[in-house]
Amino acid sequence: AIQLTQSPSSLSASVGDRVTISCRASQDISSALAWYQQKPGKPPKLLIHDVSGLGGGVPSRFSGSGSGADFTLTISSLQPEDFATYYCQQFRTYPFTFGGGTKVEIK
Amino acid sequence: QLQLQESGPGLVQPSETLPLTCTVSGGSITNSKYYWVWIRQPPGKGLEWIGSVYYSGSTYYNPSFMSRLTISVDTSKNQFSLKLKSVTAADTAVYFCASTGTYYDQFDPWGQGTLVTVSS
Repeated sequence: AIQLTQSPSSLSASVGDRVTISCRASQDISSALAWYQQKPGKPPKLLIHDVSGLGGGVPSRFSGSGSGADFTLTISSLQPEDFATYYCQQFRTYPFTFGGGTKVEIK
Repeated sequence: QLQLQESGPGLVQPSETLPLTCTVSGGSITNSKYYWVWIRQPPGKGLEWIGSVYYSGSTYYNPSFMSRLTISVDTSKNQFSLKLKSVTAADTAVYFCASTGTYYDQFDPWGQGTLVTVSS
């Protein structure tokens, strides 16, 4: 199975900060990567599809980039509602797999 | 707007079978765009894809569950189901159903999730 390694596993940031989260795949997954945001007690929400496409209703401060095996989620200016856990997911091959998550906390 | 809702027992005995159902509303389970998916999340941990089913009944399973898992679809009820046999405490998790179709093989939307505890 393809392994996805996210870094960091957690970070503390302030409102207005630029935040970047990395997702590295154990092999080339081309552009088959999505990002999800999960808040406590809620299901994950699709944030970014196909590496860089914004999900429905997702603010433009979120962006995704990368290809091959290295991918990045960027929040350009962190807002209070962005404090959550973020997961990457590959759909290049079965079994679909997720990264371990990055928890974004308030500094 | 597609909506999904999980249902099933909140408590399952060890070694028994865990049965869950996902009811789809706002769209047809026979829509050829969609795969129907189960994903779980143990308390305080990350997400794990369990398996996917197409309306025709064809399935893809995570090898981690292969020998214990059955995912099926009931088109007459607009539902799909999961059965996980021989459960242990390690199967305690929030179980989510989801669909793919908005974006190829990416999960949107999701159900709210249901917590299943395996304990005697």
